[in-house]
Amino acid sequence: AQSVTQLDSQVPVFEEAPVELRCNYSSSVSVYLFWYVQYPNQGLQLLLKYLSGSTLVESINGFEAEFNKSQTSFHLRKPSVHISDTAEYFCAVGSGTYKYIFGTGTRLKVLA
Amino acid sequence: KAGVTQTPRYLIKTRGQQVTLSCSPISGHRSVSWYQQTPGQGLQFLFEYFSETQRNKGNFPGRFSGRQFSNSRSEMNVSTLELGDSALYLCASSLAGEGDGYTFGSGTRLTVV
Repeated sequence: AQSVTQLDSQVPVFEEAPVELRCNYSSSVSVYLFWYVQYPNQGLQLLLKYLSGSTLVESINGFEAEFNKSQTSFHLRKPSVHISDTAEYFCAVGSGTYKYIFGTGTRLKVLA
Repeated sequence: KAGVTQTPRYLIKTRGQQVTLSCSPISGHRSVSWYQQTPGQGLQFLFEYFSETQRNKGNFPGRFSGRQFSNSRSEMNVSTLELGDSALYLCASSLAGEGDGYTFGSGTRLTVV
């Protein structure tokens, strides 16, 4: 069975500091990997995805994630965060069964 | 283009009642999925439809059902509501499935009293 682990439930970080949100997955088959962001009282927005090819994927707002097959990880990073990045971030895995398995989420709190 | 539209946004129901939630996917998207989000259980997969066919179903009781129409719009129904059904119900659509990346709606907040 597949599973996704987001070890950090909350991450506080000062504005303009770098941040890494960790995601590890467990799967016996090839996977698709995703990061979603959720702002209060809203749905999930796709931040970035890994399907195949280059292991480093980037989003338009400065986030990047690297797929590491040997460590079964897909950590999300940003070199300099802004107040507006405060939100909850979800890692998800898909494997051709028409559903995602989501992690429990990481609340990123950016402090002024 | 318009995003995924879910109606209603908020709903309050009494235990034992039934409820129907609606989802209009992005134009051209044929895959529609439903998820339940609660503070305790997080995001749980309910079911996925493609061209009116259910391709996968999560581990929810039979009280939870869904369907998809020929125009790709989808509905989910919960019968005999329980307090524990209170949650944010999210609908998501994609062109053909998970590899495309799902676009989520804003959700329907269901409160069962």
